[in-house]
Amino acid sequence: QVQLVQSGAEVKRPGASVTVSCKASGYTFINYYMHWVRQAPGQGLEWMGIINPSNGRSTYAQNFQDRVTMTRDTSTSTVYMELSSLRSEDTAMYYCARDMSGYEIAYWGQGTLVTVSS
Amino acid sequence: QSALTQPPSASGSPGQSVTISCTGTSSDVGGYNYVSWYRQHPGKAPKLMIYDVTKRPSGVPDRFSGSKSGNTASLTVSGLQAEDEATYYCTSYAGSNHYVFGTGTEVTVL
Repeated sequence: QVQLVQSGAEVKRPGASVTVSCKASGYTFINYYMHWVRQAPGQGLEWMGIINPSNGRSTYAQNFQDRVTMTRDTSTSTVYMELSSLRSEDTAMYYCARDMSGYEIAYWGQGTLVTVSS
Repeated sequence: QSALTQPPSASGSPGQSVTISCTGTSSDVGGYNYVSWYRQHPGKAPKLMIYDVTKRPSGVPDRFSGSKSGNTASLTVSGLQAEDEATYYCTSYAGSNHYVFGTGTEVTVL
């Protein structure tokens, strides 16, 4: 079965960077795009971007264009999301998520809580 | 890319129906038949309920249905049950590998 296991919670200072990992299993890693979605406390879902694990190419939402980098390691079936220049508004749960067969998000990681605080 | 517009809240009694709208533009909802709906309970990851406007993933009851007209998509939950009390989000493909989520609708089962 499809499993997405994310790295543990992080606490960062404003201005720092954070990297969240997402290890995939139960399917052929390079065959499915991976999304990153975040949710601030008490707020809605926000799409951050998507990476094609086959070739490593990423597309980022305009809101994150200058601060986010998504990468992958095919040898470990892991994708990474790095967010830089953190500010308090970046405090949120970050999810990696995979599509089912097309333009939907069907499988979600357990989420990684990133707290930005001085 | 602006978030898709959903009503903040909706409600219905057990057994009744509730319909949630999701309004975008011709660049997202109106331009593609790739609208999905998710149900999220507090503290849990979202669950896919509808995809490609009208399709239900395996295991989702037929009480959930989706539709679209122009730039507005809709989710209808029939035969409301206590477990349907949650926040519902729509999302749409917006071209060039971009996606956009809706603002979310909190559904209360009275």
